[in-house]
Amino acid sequence: DVQLTQSPSSLSASVGDRVTITCRASQSISSYLNWYQQKPGKAPKVLIYAASSLQSGVPSRFSGSGSGTDFTLTISSLQPEDFATYYCQQSYSTPYTFGQGTKLEI
Amino acid sequence: QVQLVQSGAEVKKPGASVKVSCKASGYTFTSYYMHWVRQAPGQGLEWMGMINPSGASASYAQKLQGRVTMTRDTSTSTVYMELSSLRSEDTAVYYCARAGGYMDVWGKGTTVTVSS
Repeated sequence: DVQLTQSPSSLSASVGDRVTITCRASQSISSYLNWYQQKPGKAPKVLIYAASSLQSGVPSRFSGSGSGTDFTLTISSLQPEDFATYYCQQSYSTPYTFGQGTKLEI
Repeated sequence: QVQLVQSGAEVKKPGASVKVSCKASGYTFTSYYMHWVRQAPGQGLEWMGMINPSGASASYAQKLQGRVTMTRDTSTSTVYMELSSLRSEDTAVYYCARAGGYMDVWGKGTTVTVSS
């Protein structure tokens, strides 16, 4: 199974900050890496798919990069609505594992 | 609009089974796989498996093999996830999610509580 390790597990930041979250895969997964945002009591929402493609309707302050085993999600200028938990997920091979999550707090 | 509507919350005793439904609308049901993801209280997301609504083939997470079954009914555009031999660790919110490579549409989730 492909293991995904996110860092950090939690992060404190302020509105306007630039934030980067990292996801490392236990083996090469090409660009089969997706990023989701989840707010308390809500279903996850896809932000980035295929490592760097922005999902329709998602603000351009979100961006993704990487391939192989190392990936990053960057939020260029944090907005109040961005405080949430972020998960990476690989769709390279089953089981389609998730990272453990990164909680972004004020 | 594309949406997935899940069945309501369930409370089950240990050892029982639960069957959660997910009704799709707004798109061609057989064109996208459906995944099931669960989230225990305060925990992260766990992929449970997926079903191809077109051919009904399914793939399950190893840790759930033998306890989970995913089925579909193309006449009603509904997929089902049944989990048997429930234990307290199965207490979670269960989500269905449409996927064509990534999970782009999610249901609101179904809370399953396992308690004696």
